[in-house]
Amino acid sequence: QTVVTQEPSFSVSPGGTVTLTCDWSSGSVSTNYYPSWYQQTPGQTPRTLIYSTNIRSSGVPDRFSGSILGNKAALTITGAQADDESDYYCMLYIGSGSWVFGGGTRLTVL
Amino acid sequence: EVQLVESGGGLVQPGGSLRLSCAASGFTFSGYWMHWVRQAPGKGLVWFSRINSDGSTTTYADSVKGRFTISRDDAKNTLDLQMNSLRVEDTAVYYCARGVSWGVDYWGQGTLVTVSP
Repeated sequence: QTVVTQEPSFSVSPGGTVTLTCDWSSGSVSTNYYPSWYQQTPGQTPRTLIYSTNIRSSGVPDRFSGSILGNKAALTITGAQADDESDYYCMLYIGSGSWVFGGGTRLTVL
Repeated sequence: EVQLVESGGGLVQPGGSLRLSCAASGFTFSGYWMHWVRQAPGKGLVWFSRINSDGSTTTYADSVKGRFTISRDDAKNTLDLQMNSLRVEDTAVYYCARGVSWGVDYWGQGTLVTVSP
């Protein structure tokens, strides 16, 4: 079974930096999985932050950045703000025209 | 401005059918892959279907394969999802999303499908 794993929860202080990760049960995540990242406040539509590992979507501030760290995809948020408090989802392209989302990370800013 | 607007959600009994539509505007619809993603109440996002730009290739997650059909009408700038043999576990908000570079960039506001006796 294909499983994409994210930290269930994370907290960061206002102004701080946090890195969320996205792991793949079948091995290392590389750019070949085209990791993307999405932000969703409960009850709202998802918002695309990053696609193709590190390309910021239109209008996304450069406080958000994507990368590969070791064998995982990573989303780093610098200068955390109160309105960054959301759920964050990664998505991987796993080949054969299929994609899989991770279970999401609930980020608390406090 | 890119806009995606889903419609067609509602309440349906198990075993029933429903057809969702996604009206696209603000971009050249025929040039983009399109995806469907769903989210059950209180749960995470789940990708389940994609269609390529000319409609020749479609893919589905195992959970919906054989029951759901994705299609597009580039003349009308619409993406459709025919859902048959619906199950209680198909209850979710259904989002259409525009594909970009093996991810998605723009999302619709979603339409709620409730499958209940």
